[in-house]
Amino acid sequence: AQTVTQSQPEMSVQEAETVTLSCTYDTSESDYYLFWYKQPPSRQMILVIRQEAYKQQNATENRFSVNFQKAAKSFSLKISDSQLGDAAMYFCAYRLQGAQKLVFGQGTRLTINP
Amino acid sequence: DTGVSQNPRHKITKRGQNVTFRCDPISEHNRLYWYRQTLGQGPEFLTYFQNEAQLEKSRLLSDRFSAERPKGSFSTLEIQRTEQGDSAMYLCASSTGTGGVYGYTFGSGTRLTVV
Repeated sequence: AQTVTQSQPEMSVQEAETVTLSCTYDTSESDYYLFWYKQPPSRQMILVIRQEAYKQQNATENRFSVNFQKAAKSFSLKISDSQLGDAAMYFCAYRLQGAQKLVFGQGTRLTINP
Repeated sequence: DTGVSQNPRHKITKRGQNVTFRCDPISEHNRLYWYRQTLGQGPEFLTYFQNEAQLEKSRLLSDRFSAERPKGSFSTLEIQRTEQGDSAMYLCASSTGTGGVYGYTFGSGTRLTVV
């Protein structure tokens, strides 16, 4: 079974500092996509960043970047220069190429301290 | 088009009653998904439509659950004889044919409370 594990239920960081959220996944397949989604309180889930498994280069979107280690099946999210608006639940998700469903982790609640 | 719209935002119902939720996807998106999210957990896949065809259903979708997408536009998710364990946030998402690469667009969800 495909699983996604986020081992940090909660994280906190000082405003303007850097924080890294962890994610590991389990699959025997080689072609898949990985995503980080952000879910602010009482608001819709939005895509933060995505990574194709066949790409060795780590994805970057402004202050957000990932560290993708395919052999270790690890996909961590780094948020630089944390802002108050980054406070949310963050979910790591996985999708096999050719499949439709996303498999989500349990989420990490990120708090930003002013 | 302002994104994926879900109605109602909140629903409180008595155990045993039937409820129906509606999802209006982004108009040019031909794929539509339903997920269930319980408190403190990540979303879990329920079902997927491509146009009007329901192509995949999770084991989570018991026979009390039914989803439709007539004419490939909006979708409804009905839960019959609700149970307290059905209390959750029900999320709808939509995508284009390449949405699996670029991710879905999610709605704000319908929070169901069964009392």
